[in-house]
Amino acid sequence: AQSVTQLGSHVSVSEGALVLLRCNYSSSVPPYLFWYVQYPNQGLQLLLKYTSAATLVKGINGFEAEFKKSETSFHLTKPSAHMSDAAEYFCAVSPMGFQKLVFGTGTRLLVSP
Amino acid sequence: DARVTQTPRHKVTEMGQEVTMRCQPILGHNTVFWYRQTMMQGLELLAYFRNRAPLDDSGMPKDRFSAEMPDATLATLKIQPSEPRDSAVYFCASGLVDGLAGGNTGELFFGEGSRLTVL
Repeated sequence: AQSVTQLGSHVSVSEGALVLLRCNYSSSVPPYLFWYVQYPNQGLQLLLKYTSAATLVKGINGFEAEFKKSETSFHLTKPSAHMSDAAEYFCAVSPMGFQKLVFGTGTRLLVSP
Repeated sequence: DARVTQTPRHKVTEMGQEVTMRCQPILGHNTVFWYRQTMMQGLELLAYFRNRAPLDDSGMPKDRFSAEMPDATLATLKIQPSEPRDSAVYFCASGLVDGLAGGNTGELFFGEGSRLTVL
């Protein structure tokens, strides 16, 4: 079975500061890993995905994530936070070749001026 | 601009009433998923379809929930009778799977959700 754990239900940063959102996964087969973002009253949008190619994945809006098999992690980072980054972020896993996504519980990112 | 369309966006109903939510997946996509989002449980997978056939509905309360795909352009999620604990945002998502092994990039495209309130 596949699962993801997101550490921290809320993360607060100042505008311009580094953003780090943590995600650890558990999978019995090589996983596909994803980060989605949800803005208020909207659906989820794909930020980036890891599908067994490069371990450092770049996504939209300046975000990137690194797949570390030894640590079973897929943390999301952004060098400099913008106010517009305030949203909820979900890590998700699916077994390679399939689409049944299992989501983490989400991390709400708060950005202060 | 291809997108997943869900209706209604908001629904308030009374306990015991039937609720039907509809989803139009992106044209050409062959997988459709229904997720439910609540504060307590987060995002839960209710059911998913591939090429209109149900593959997994183990996350769905069988006694009151049903999901169907009458055709490739319409997926429905029905609750009968509805209960206050069904209050949530219901998301539909679609994607494309190809190849014999179901290979794909795994990306799902989500609709904006149907917010259901059962009084």
